[in-house]
Amino acid sequence: DTEVTQTPKHLVMGMTNKKSLKCEQHMGHRAMYWYKQKAKKPPELMFVYSYEKLSINESVPSRFSPECPNSSLLNLHLHALQPEDSALYLCASSQEIAGGGETQYFGPGTRLLVL
Amino acid sequence: QKEVEQDPGPLSVPEGAIVSLNCTYSNSAFQYFMWYRQYSRKGPELLMYTYSSGNKEDGRFTAQVDKSSKYISLFIRDSQPSDSATYLCAMKREYGNKLVFGAGTILRVKS
Repeated sequence: DTEVTQTPKHLVMGMTNKKSLKCEQHMGHRAMYWYKQKAKKPPELMFVYSYEKLSINESVPSRFSPECPNSSLLNLHLHALQPEDSALYLCASSQEIAGGGETQYFGPGTRLLVL
Repeated sequence: QKEVEQDPGPLSVPEGAIVSLNCTYSNSAFQYFMWYRQYSRKGPELLMYTYSSGNKEDGRFTAQVDKSSKYISLFIRDSQPSDSATYLCAMKREYGNKLVFGAGTILRVKS
């Protein structure tokens, strides 16, 4: 099973709202990722968690706050977003193997619209 | 210059055609090469995964990596309308988690 699940599928929020995106995997992967994808563009890496610790933050604005409660779950907390933050938010996971070679598996994404 | 170059297309072919999708890259440190298929409004789905140079075949799909030319390809035989999607190449270094994506090529297979 190579499934990564994400909820909700769609989200509409105002600029003053606080919401959270959730991601779950049960493949035993120890690395989890958040990506942002705009229309007709490739995914852009936002955050990487490795063994539940934040290992990469690609200079993402503080209105995006990631959280990794355990090895299977990844959250992205959203606060005071801007309309330009509207995009498809993708979660991915991979094994963590010394020497690299980890294949990333993506979830279906959450389509976010900020009004 | 981008690290990974990929023609965004669209590429339109008739059903049954052989499709060739390509990416070039500039960073010789890349060792792992992937092809993802993404349907509209869905997440990317891993199609092929190759380490270093060589060929890999899976059903109608063949991935080729030529590290000397810094060029990778994905061939789709007997293309079907269900193959219509965006195809993203991605690559990474020996160590680390960061994938570098191409722009994605839109493929349209017409019945």
